[in-house]
Amino acid sequence: EVQLEESGGGLVKPGGALRLSCAASGFIFGDYTMTWVRQAPGKGLEWVSSISSSSGYIYYAGSVKGRFTISRDNTMNSLYLQMNSLRAEDTAVYYCARDSGQSGYADYFDYWGQGTLVTVSS
Amino acid sequence: DIQMTQSPSTLSTSVGDRVSITCRASQTISSWLAWYQQKPGKAPKLLIYKASSLESGVPSRFSGSGSGTEFTLTISSLQPDDFATYYCQHYDNYPYTFGQGTKLEIK
Repeated sequence: EVQLEESGGGLVKPGGALRLSCAASGFIFGDYTMTWVRQAPGKGLEWVSSISSSSGYIYYAGSVKGRFTISRDNTMNSLYLQMNSLRAEDTAVYYCARDSGQSGYADYFDYWGQGTLVTVSS
Repeated sequence: DIQMTQSPSTLSTSVGDRVSITCRASQTISSWLAWYQQKPGKAPKLLIYKASSLESGVPSRFSGSGSGTEFTLTISSLQPDDFATYYCQHYDNYPYTFGQGTKLEIK
């Protein structure tokens, strides 16, 4: 059974930093592109960043480029999101998601974690 | 960036109704479109991919259609478990974008 479990969320002050983790199990993690998607309270879904299976291709939303860094450790079956220079508008539930691997370059998400809440407030 | 526009934003419906939700892309995305269902406090769940392919395990009352810039998610006979928010997402290229969501409410 595919499982994705996020951790690392919490309360942080504006300008602060936080590192999110996503532990994966039930599939060959190193074969799949992985993605972070966020959802601000009461709002819709926003794609944040994706990383290819071997970390060779990395993409960011314009709203986080230069502040967030996605990475992965295939030996640990783990996905990460380093978030720096955090702003109030980064407050959201952050989900990790698995790209299906069916569509080549770009893809949809077939499995999601339950999310971890990041709150940026003074 | 490709903009995705869903309509309506909210739909008041009843059990047994046939429901259709529309998603429009600001430029052509071929059939690179997915639909997700999200319930309060839960992660999104994949329903439809490649505009019309039903994800394994999803009830057959859900169907998707369309290509290019206009897409539709249809629920043939609404069940109590279907009251949720639905999102479309394009995956034609990066950056991915989602529609703003359509919330199905009980009439």
